[in-house]
Amino acid sequence: DAKTTQPNSMESNEEEPVHLPCNHSTISGTDYIHWYRQLPSQGPEYVIHGLTSNVNNRMASLAIAEDRKSSTLILHRATLRDAAVYYCILRDVGYSGAGSYQLTFGKGTKLSVIP
Amino acid sequence: SAVISQKPSRDICQRGTSLTIQCQVDSQVTMMFWYRQQPGQSLTLIATANQGSEATYESGFVIDKFPISRPNLTFSTLTVSNMSPEDSSIYLCSVELVVNEQFFGPGTRLTVL
Repeated sequence: DAKTTQPNSMESNEEEPVHLPCNHSTISGTDYIHWYRQLPSQGPEYVIHGLTSNVNNRMASLAIAEDRKSSTLILHRATLRDAAVYYCILRDVGYSGAGSYQLTFGKGTKLSVIP
Repeated sequence: SAVISQKPSRDICQRGTSLTIQCQVDSQVTMMFWYRQQPGQSLTLIATANQGSEATYESGFVIDKFPISRPNLTFSTLTVSNMSPEDSSIYLCSVELVVNEQFFGPGTRLTVL
C-alpha cells in the first residue's frame, strides 16, 4: 500500500477552520484517499473519502491536489468535539480478494482544540 | 450506517488464559475485520473474517493465537489465546456496509496481568 505522511500534532482555536495536511507522493491511479478520526476512548469514525475531485460532506471537506500527491482535510469550524487523532489512509479501489478492503492506519495527526 | 456492539467492553485477565470477544452488527455484512490497538499506538489489522470461510490473517498474526469464528452475516468472535501481558490492547471489529465507509465497534479493552 502507498504510504502517507502527516504531522504528528496540530492545534486549533475553537470555531476557527482547521486544515489537516497529508502527503502521499507514491499514490497510484486507483487509490482512494480516506480520512478517519478517532476520538478519545472510541473506535475510529469515517470522515470523508475522495479519488480526484474535492469532496464535501456534513463533517468536513477534502481538497485533493491536482497531481494527487497531497490532500487536505478541512474542518470549517473546529469544536471541542473535533479533538481527535485524524488518519489519512490510501486504499486501492479495485477488488482483488479479501484483503483489498483493509485500512492500513499510520500514526495520524493528533488535533487539539483550544477553547 | 451500521451499529456495532462488542462484548465485553473491557476485561482484566490472568496470563495463560483465553478471552473470547464478540462483535454484533445490526446489518448483514460480508466481511468483518478485527484490529488491535496497543497502548499509545495506531490500529493494526489482525484478520479479515468472511462468513462461511476461513479468516485471512495478516503477517504476524496466527490462527492458533487469534482464532476467529464467523457463524453468520451479523456476528463474529475473536479469541485471544494463552494470553500474556503483551496482549494488553484494545481490540476492535469493523465492517464495510457501504463501499468506502467502514464502521467500527467501540472496542474491547483487555488488560493481561
